[in-house]
Amino acid sequence: DARVTQTPRDKVTEMGQEVTMRCQPILGHNTVFWYRQTMMQGLELLAYFRNRAPLDDSGMPKDRFSAEMPDATLATLKIQPSEPRDSAVYFCASAQGTGGNTEAFFGQGTRLTVV
Amino acid sequence: AQSVTQLDSQVPVFEEAPVELRCNYSSSVSVYLFWYVQYPNQGLQLLLKYLSGSTLVKGINGFEAEFNKSQTSFHLRKPSVHISDTAEYFCAFLQGDYKLSFGAGTTVTVRA
Repeated sequence: DARVTQTPRDKVTEMGQEVTMRCQPILGHNTVFWYRQTMMQGLELLAYFRNRAPLDDSGMPKDRFSAEMPDATLATLKIQPSEPRDSAVYFCASAQGTGGNTEAFFGQGTRLTVV
Repeated sequence: AQSVTQLDSQVPVFEEAPVELRCNYSSSVSVYLFWYVQYPNQGLQLLLKYLSGSTLVKGINGFEAEFNKSQTSFHLRKPSVHISDTAEYFCAFLQGDYKLSFGAGTTVTVRA
């Protein structure tokens, strides 16, 4: 059963610490998205990768966030230093291609709490 | 500005009753419209989508939606809900060829 796997599921960290969230996209998918979900802002696109290349990270605060795909089976989202306002659920999604005919499959998310 | 608006933040409903979740879109939005469901502590799952063609779209789990161009709406319906339909539902549109933009969500609580 193919699925997007995210680790960790939950993370509590202190302000100022580095946080790394990992995502394993579905094998064969060449498109990866990072979304953030908060009560105030809802679901926001942070970054979008196609064939491991970052094509859109305009939704991501550049000073503290970074997203990479070291290889086709791993996407990472790092926050350094973390702040309480970063507390949210972070979702990774993957798809084969883009456009209306493709379906993005979401992972279960990483719930981040920064205290 | 391009957007979708979900008109109800919370919808309580009794088991086996019908439910309708309302979504309006701005006229500048592309006609690629979606409904996603998020079960508690889970990621989002695609229920159905409208790209073109028939305005009545059938999805998984007995859900269907109707694209109405004159009303700029894309309401989601199910004729008889189950307890397991308790979840948050998101209307979304495709911005460009890859960016899903979501509405604020509607929480559906099904009671016995």
